[in-house]
Amino acid sequence: EPEVTQTPSHQVTQMGQEVILRCVPISNHLYFYWYRQILGQKVEFLVSFYNNEISEKSEIFDDQFSVERPDGSNFTLKIRSTKLEDSAMYFCASGAGGLNEQFFGPGTRLTVL
Amino acid sequence: AQSVTQPDIHITVSEGASLELRCNYSYGATPYLFWYVQSPGQGLQLLLKYFSGDTLVQGIKGFEAEFKRSQSSFNLRKPSVHWSDAAEYFCAVGAKNTGNQFYFGTGTSLTVIP
Repeated sequence: EPEVTQTPSHQVTQMGQEVILRCVPISNHLYFYWYRQILGQKVEFLVSFYNNEISEKSEIFDDQFSVERPDGSNFTLKIRSTKLEDSAMYFCASGAGGLNEQFFGPGTRLTVL
Repeated sequence: AQSVTQPDIHITVSEGASLELRCNYSYGATPYLFWYVQSPGQGLQLLLKYFSGDTLVQGIKGFEAEFKRSQSSFNLRKPSVHWSDAAEYFCAVGAKNTGNQFYFGTGTSLTVIP
């Protein structure tokens, strides 16, 4: 069964460093999402992406964040200058279109020291 | 405002007992409702979804959920819990159109005792 994959599974970085989280969505999907889950809190929407542009973003998704689909398979989330409060589990999701059904990857745990 | 409430932070049940996890939502349009399960160190696995039609929906692993519009609820049930069901359960609501975000509840942590 096709699935969304994410790398790395765990990323540790120093405050102020840039990180890139990578996702490979399901191959025929057209809609891509990033969510995050701070430890002990709810899963929160960050951004959705369709047709090579952002279609929706939350207040969390400020100028330090960016997304890109650099090729036909990867979908990346870049955090330019990480802060301690960016420590969270980051989930990528993808959807085929039509009814809104999102398939989630296993997540990347980001730890900012 | 769109929101999902899961009133029970943590539930403990005995193996073989029945289970009901509560979910209430507030949504300005026709809600599409989902339950996801997250095992430790794992991602979010879809248990079941409700888009339209029969308000009682069946999912994987023997779970079912009932949509009650009048109560703005979408409670998850299982008649007999297995030890492997111990996990975190999340209710989510979204709009019909793909590309729209999901709103998640805070989750209910399920412990199963032998």
